[in-house]
Amino acid sequence: DAGITQSPRHKVTETGTPVTLRCHQTENHRYMYWYRQDPGHGLRLIHYSYGVKDTDKGEVSDGYSVSRSKTEDFLLTLESATSSQTSVYFCAISGGERGNTEAFFGQGTRLTVV
Amino acid sequence: AQSVTQPDIHITVSEGASLELRCNYSYGATPYLFWYVQSPGQGLQLLLKYFSGDTLVQGIKGFEAEFKRSQSSFNLRKPSVHWSDAAEYFCAVGSYSGNTPLVFGKGTRLSVIA
Repeated sequence: DAGITQSPRHKVTETGTPVTLRCHQTENHRYMYWYRQDPGHGLRLIHYSYGVKDTDKGEVSDGYSVSRSKTEDFLLTLESATSSQTSVYFCAISGGERGNTEAFFGQGTRLTVV
Repeated sequence: AQSVTQPDIHITVSEGASLELRCNYSYGATPYLFWYVQSPGQGLQLLLKYFSGDTLVQGIKGFEAEFKRSQSSFNLRKPSVHWSDAAEYFCAVGSYSGNTPLVFGKGTRLSVIA
């Protein structure tokens, strides 16, 4: 793994509660992404960041917010969790010093909303 | 808008047989193309990538892929499949500049039988 840590790895939460997932990188990559993975849908982009405090929405951003106050950390917040947000969430990074465009992925966070 | 289609949701092959996983993309500019593999409960690992030059690219674990611009395809191949290749495979497309997120197909699940 390319120096990407997601926390927590597993979480069960109740409907209506806020949840924050953390992605931490040690690679100094410029871009960071949050994807969700669901059966039959592959990976869908939630939000991404192209620098500190610079973020943009992906295709499934409703109900999610993000923040990036430091290069190494990218937080994903579910403002009020719903059962439809039960999923596996992956953080990814790209854009290292060599300008590589491939993305490197964390191990994922399995979130269950009950 | 950029998109990736993986026509086969699930493929079963016998161990030792050859494999071809299909990927078609839609992209307005010069595409950067990737294949990732995901073992159960794991993150995504890069198998290979195509940026430019030789249209046949070699990757890890004995995989190769061929870029065909006229067919907008980037099919993944392996001459002899091993049981350990059973996993989910994702094709993705990105931009030359690397400043836009990768777009993924929905994946193809590979099963290997004895």
